Amino acid sequence: SSELTQDPAVSVALGQTVRITCQGDSLRSYYASWYQQKPGQAPVLVIYGKNNRPSGIPDRFSGSSSGNTASLTITGAQAEDEADYYCNSRDSSGNHLRFGGGTKLTVL
Amino acid sequence: EVQLVESGGGLVQPGGSLRLSCAASGFTVSSNYMSWVRQAPGKGLEWVSVIYSGGSTYYADSVKGRFTISRDNSKNTLYLQMNSLRAEDTAVYYCAREVVATIKGSYYFDYWGQGTLVTVSS
Repeated sequence: SSELTQDPAVSVALGQTVRITCQGDSLRSYYASWYQQKPGQAPVLVIYGKNNRPSGIPDRFSGSSSGNTASLTITGAQAEDEADYYCNSRDSSGNHLRFGGGTKLTVL
Repeated sequence: EVQLVESGGGLVQPGGSLRLSCAASGFTVSSNYMSWVRQAPGKGLEWVSVIYSGGSTYYADSVKGRFTISRDNSKNTLYLQMNSLRAEDTAVYYCAREVVATIKGSYYFDYWGQGTLVTVSS
């Protein structure tokens, strides 16, 4: 399948650790990238490649991958991390891109 | 400073056409992979189309045959020509620059525009 599957919603207590996952066959060949989107705003890249953060992204954000599953981990979640998170990768053809359905993160 | 500014959105009737523009600054559009990504109201992100630096183009099945991605190198601008529009094309359309990393299999969007809203309705 060329789809990327994410849990629709996840919650985490303030200061705790949360993992958001993304599953898809294409992740065996391509790294996932992760985007944070807050209401009314454009997506922002938070993780790419094996485990890389763009400048300005806090180090509490990290990424990992195993088999057909990519994960975004937030260690010590903050209130400002409440947002929708999307994974993305190329599909098996290599020329089409896919987004996961998105995970709504609630920080309690 | 890298900037992407979309324009051209608006209200259009079903079956109509619209052309979106994405003006880039701080980098050269023709030297990069550029994509359009859309987001229907209350829904997730959906990739629409990509144009490679070499000029090859690819489309999501949902828009293939109706949408055309192109660029004007002299204006450093990306376009999306949308024909035969349907209600389900209603969305905010973003342009984004895609980086092809040196690590094999690593691609990502590092810059996004603010988006332009397209509403298809009678």
